[in-house]
Amino acid sequence: NAGVTQTPKFQVLKTGQSMTLQCAQDMNHEYMSWYRQDPGMGLRLIHYSVGAGITDQGEVPNGYNVSRSTTEDFPLRLLSAAPSQTSVYFCASSGVPNYGYTFGSGTRLTVV
Amino acid sequence: LAKTTQPISMDSYEGQEVNITCSHNNIATNDYITWYQQFPSQGPRFIIQGYKTKVTNEVASLFIPADRKSSTLSLPRVSLSDTAVYYCLVGRGSARQLTFGSGTQLTVLP
Repeated sequence: NAGVTQTPKFQVLKTGQSMTLQCAQDMNHEYMSWYRQDPGMGLRLIHYSVGAGITDQGEVPNGYNVSRSTTEDFPLRLLSAAPSQTSVYFCASSGVPNYGYTFGSGTRLTVV
Repeated sequence: LAKTTQPISMDSYEGQEVNITCSHNNIATNDYITWYQQFPSQGPRFIIQGYKTKVTNEVASLFIPADRKSSTLSLPRVSLSDTAVYYCLVGRGSARQLTFGSGTQLTVLP
């Protein structure tokens, strides 16, 4: 049972490039979320999903897109990377709303 | 959204009980209180959740007074490995309502 798997673990992008951060869970969880964490700060919600085909914006959605075509996968797309998007990105999932989210190990993204 | 206030940092010694208090004055009737632990370079890990009174599991206890305007996470007999950031979250239902503040940096000293 792998839990929540995020790939890649590290990524360096040039300004203006696009990329997709992958997130997959094998727990059949309906609820999935993406967060970013900047140095010394708490996590901020980017986008979330309450089931396949249903997504919504969080606190800091600008510059990011998501889709949820399957229960297992919830990829996060950076449309045109900017240095302000340098951060650590965490994906999380839960089988019950507002209870016991399981987090992935994170993707450390640097935009130069 | 219920806003939470926690101490920025706390120090303790191995073997002591540690209590971290979180204030949430505008908690709504249906809101639950959830605590997470985060080690450096890792994602947060769920510790405990409660609605009222006291909840205990194998890791921690959560005390919630009758007015629910605050809560206290209690870690019994901490060890060096409990050094981490602890987050108090208040919300219900949608992930949009779960807000991570800056958390409390707990440092356990030998």
